Amino acid sequence: DAKTTQPPSMDCAEGRAANLPCNHSTISGNEYVYWYRQIHSQGPQYIIHGLKNNETNEMASLIITEDRKSSTLILPHATLRDTAVYYCIVRVLFFGNTPLVFGKGTRLSVIA
Amino acid sequence: DTGVSQDPRHKITKRGQNVTFRCDPISEHNRLYWYRQTLGQGPEFLTYFQNEAQLEKSRLLSDRFSAERPKGSFSTLEIQRTEQGDSAMYLCASSFKGSYEQYFGPGTRLTVT
Repeated sequence: DAKTTQPPSMDCAEGRAANLPCNHSTISGNEYVYWYRQIHSQGPQYIIHGLKNNETNEMASLIITEDRKSSTLILPHATLRDTAVYYCIVRVLFFGNTPLVFGKGTRLSVIA
Repeated sequence: DTGVSQDPRHKITKRGQNVTFRCDPISEHNRLYWYRQTLGQGPEFLTYFQNEAQLEKSRLLSDRFSAERPKGSFSTLEIQRTEQGDSAMYLCASSFKGSYEQYFGPGTRLTVT
């Protein structure tokens, strides 16, 4: 799986949009971008994934650049409960679900 | 609760003792994964199963570690002769083959004194 680079930490004011960047400059054409988050003392939780088109679900939006070398996860109205470590992962969606390769992620602190 | 469950949630043991953790996946999920997470790091893959077959083992899984999934349902992870370096959170996840999402349990925190 390709390597990703994320800032170690970010702050966001409650109610504002949180924009979490991820660099994946060596991504291959058949690799997807996944985002998971881990709230303190819990297991990671899937957020969203995409290949090349922008994606949106009830939790977040994923914006992938046209060259696919970077992406941004957007939490449109961050709340205190969004404080967590966010992991950007690139992987091939191939024959089902293969093990995830996590980096260190970005620790997002949502501040009241 | 129909999520992934792990037992125990916390385990304190003395160096040299054996420990066993259990993971109950979501019903009908045929893939089960074990990860280990140390402080400040992301989870690291240890091993995974499809039904009862162990498909892959990480280099992190030394000879002291063994995992089983009898009958393709729950799984156990055993660590023999524990060392202080084994202190970590052990996470279990499950998925259905063909799906894109893994569902994680709350983890078992192991402390080796």
